[in-house]
Amino acid sequence: GAGVSQSPSNKVTEKGKDVELRCDPISGHTALYWYRQSLGQGLEFLIYFQGNSAPDKSGLPSDRFSAERTGGSVSTLTIQRTQQEDSAVYLCASSLYSGEQYFGPGTRLTVT
Amino acid sequence: AQKITQTQPGMFVQEKEAVTLDCTYDTSDPSYGLFWYKQPSSGEMIFLIYQGSYDQQNATEGRYSLNFQKARKSANLVISASQLGDSAMYFCAMTAHSFGNEKLTFGTGTRLTIIP
Repeated sequence: GAGVSQSPSNKVTEKGKDVELRCDPISGHTALYWYRQSLGQGLEFLIYFQGNSAPDKSGLPSDRFSAERTGGSVSTLTIQRTQQEDSAVYLCASSLYSGEQYFGPGTRLTVT
Repeated sequence: AQKITQTQPGMFVQEKEAVTLDCTYDTSDPSYGLFWYKQPSSGEMIFLIYQGSYDQQNATEGRYSLNFQKARKSANLVISASQLGDSAMYFCAMTAHSFGNEKLTFGTGTRLTIIP
């Protein structure tokens, strides 16, 4: 079956603009996660959804970052007023009940 | 809070040899899950193996095994008979509980290069 998909694969934006990153989890997976991977900070957790609710938002670095999930499926991560330090690869993962998380290919965000 | 430590930033191994990638962890939770992921140069994160803290046996998945030493808080990945395709970054990770959906806390990774 289809894996986790993310779009766009690459995004270049100017500092101060807003961006939206999309994640399509594996069909039927109830849990969805966003992570960020950057050279300086490694792999960091951002937010976790169970269904449409987000019981853990502890990793969102500032209030410029928000995410939503609709229909228990697609999720969108929005970064407002992007800064250069937001440049990173944003990874989405999904899982069914527990155990392994399946990752998408990521969105490489570059803020100029 | 959980913490994962991977002390080997890079390793070079001859093809067909076995390799051990080190991982130590720190947590105060009695129940936790330990994972290894592979990230080739293409960027995707590939799940390799999982060990629950209450599992008595070491996990194995094909050429991968996890050497779980609970008292030492270590969860080393062993790859037997290494292949050129094993060249990648390897991340050790953990969750706060061994069941249920939880965020992953990752180590800094080890870059493994297999030499022909």
